[in-house]
Amino acid sequence: GAVVSQHPSRVICKSGTSVKIECRSLDFQATTMFWYRQFPKQSLMLMATSNEGSKATYEQGVEKDKFLINHASLTLSTLTVTSAHPEDSSFYICSARPPWESNQPQHFGDGTRLSIL
Amino acid sequence: AQKVTQAQTEISVVEKEDVTLDCVYETRDTTYYLFWYKQPPSGELVFLIRRNSFDEQNEISGRYSWNFQKSTSSFNFTITASQVVDSAVYFCALRRAGANNLFFGTGTRLTVIP
Repeated sequence: GAVVSQHPSRVICKSGTSVKIECRSLDFQATTMFWYRQFPKQSLMLMATSNEGSKATYEQGVEKDKFLINHASLTLSTLTVTSAHPEDSSFYICSARPPWESNQPQHFGDGTRLSIL
Repeated sequence: AQKVTQAQTEISVVEKEDVTLDCVYETRDTTYYLFWYKQPPSGELVFLIRRNSFDEQNEISGRYSWNFQKSTSSFNFTITASQVVDSAVYFCALRRAGANNLFFGTGTRLTVIP
């Protein structure tokens, strides 16, 4: 079945560092991928929709310059948290859905737990 | 606008008890999809079930069962004979037809006590 791979699974870094998270669709091409953010003990909130070959669509309240999204190929979307600060510490998870599964659920990556010291 | 409400924030049950997790949704669309996901402590999201808005048949899968009631906009999830491994956060979600993103409820943290 379709698999979405996310890397890294965990990042611990100092404040001011930029962190890149990768989301790959392993056996299908995804023109659209989604980035969610989950604070501790809270729900998943959609941050942005990553579109292959064009600009990402950000949800209201999400800073475009803070969370850079690049979807340069049909199998890879990256989320870069620029100049990360402790308040950016969160669980980030991506998802995608194979084009042949229009009515099926999205496939999620295993998530990235980001901790900014 | 779409909204998914999971009123139960946390539930604790003793092993082998049955437990029902509630989910109420709001949408003006006539065609939509409802989902349940399980998020164990490790963090990944595990897909449990998808239900189309035009299919109100209840479903049973092993110890899991789902009750979809369009009249009350509810999609409740029951675990029978709960086990410790069922301990997790469970999310109900809605997706509009033709859209890709999911609207998640706030989740219900289930703790099964041995």
